[in-house]
Amino acid sequence: QKEVEQNSGPLSVPEGAIASLNCTYSDRGSQSFFWYRQYSGKSPELIMSIYSNGDKEDGRFTAQLNKASQYVSLLIRDSQPSDSATYLCAGSGGGADGLTFGKGTHLIIQP
Amino acid sequence: EADIYQTPRYLVIGTGKKITLECSQTMGHDKMYWYQQDPGMELHLIHYSYGVNSTEKGDLSSESTVSRIRTEHFPLTLESARPSHTSQYLCASSEGGGGATNSPLHFGNGTRLTVT
Repeated sequence: QKEVEQNSGPLSVPEGAIASLNCTYSDRGSQSFFWYRQYSGKSPELIMSIYSNGDKEDGRFTAQLNKASQYVSLLIRDSQPSDSATYLCAGSGGGADGLTFGKGTHLIIQP
Repeated sequence: EADIYQTPRYLVIGTGKKITLECSQTMGHDKMYWYQQDPGMELHLIHYSYGVNSTEKGDLSSESTVSRIRTEHFPLTLESARPSHTSQYLCASSEGGGGATNSPLHFGNGTRLTVT
């Protein structure tokens, strides 16, 4: 059973601070990982992709992948109230049935 | 910007009616997916397709059916809607044919279905 685990939260972070979101996965065959942001009532929006070990930065977002530890994380620097959303971690399941999604972490940025 | 479109955005319909939720993408993606998501809950894969004339059931048992006659079009049909079908339905697509999915999924805006 392929699984992606996330803490459901809510994770509360003060405005301007760094928000750290974590995710672990069970399938060692997974090669690609993605972070999606989902506002309430909206569809998931892709914000980061990461395919190799290490860090990948895009603006205020940094994704980190450690395949040995089967661990993926997302850092959001200078958190803004508009970052308040549910963040979904997803990994490639190795099959054609799409990605394996975690249940999401609800992030609240407090002004 | 992903070009994947779902219609209608909102649908309220009575029990027993037949409905079809439309999904189209203009990116030429071979793979398409339907997810069901209740408010505040996780995504559940209900159907997917590798390409034209290919359809598969997902992890969540569903009374809906799908078809894939054209690459760009992946409609979902409920023959007889029930209140238990009330949910948000999300369509997605990804590039790359066959084999493993290593590309991200691009989602449409969703259809929020209410069955009374």
